Amino acid sequence: EAAVTQSPRNKVAVTGGKVTLSCNQTNNHNNMYWYRQDTGHGLRLIHYSYGAGSTEKGDIPDGYKASRPSQENFSLILELATPSQTSVYFCASGENTEVFFGKGTRLTVV
Amino acid sequence: GDKVKQSPSALSLQEGTNSALRCNFSIAATTVQWFLQNPRGSLMNLFYLVPGTKENGRLKSAFDSKESYSTLHIRDAQLEDSGTYFCAAGYNTNTGKLTFGDGTVLTVKP
Repeated sequence: EAAVTQSPRNKVAVTGGKVTLSCNQTNNHNNMYWYRQDTGHGLRLIHYSYGAGSTEKGDIPDGYKASRPSQENFSLILELATPSQTSVYFCASGENTEVFFGKGTRLTVV
Repeated sequence: GDKVKQSPSALSLQEGTNSALRCNFSIAATTVQWFLQNPRGSLMNLFYLVPGTKENGRLKSAFDSKESYSTLHIRDAQLEDSGTYFCAAGYNTNTGKLTFGDGTVLTVKP
């Protein structure tokens, strides 16, 4: 079954540390996305990608990097994690604005 | 966000009743997607719409791009319909980026 799989599902990180969130999709979609969701709000776009080797800035890219080494994998990297980056992160893949989400990663930065 | 306004922000329904959720766009959207976020946090795809109407079981959704709004109708509400409903506007089919509303929290009571 085609799916978007995120790992880890939960992560506690220390301030100033490096965090990598991973995402794998078996939908064979060209586009992949990283969003964050804060309590009581909708999702906001951090980075996205058109395909292997491409990364583009979304609406709130500051403090984040992304990497798309292959069609299937898209990572979100926090080089120096801060408490303001505590959130739930969702990865998605899609075509033509129809997207499918993973189950999310709850990140807590202490 | 300001681009996508959902109403109401919260709604309580008696089991078996009907209701409608609305999404207004300050900038005309090309496509709309509706999601249900369940209490565990997973985002389930409900509808993907170009201008027009779709129906699936007790749910029906419409998207009027000229008047810049979309609606989601729930008929014969059930307990399992509880959760947060998000609409998301698509503006560019190449990038596939979505702009989310802040959601409607629906509680269905027995």
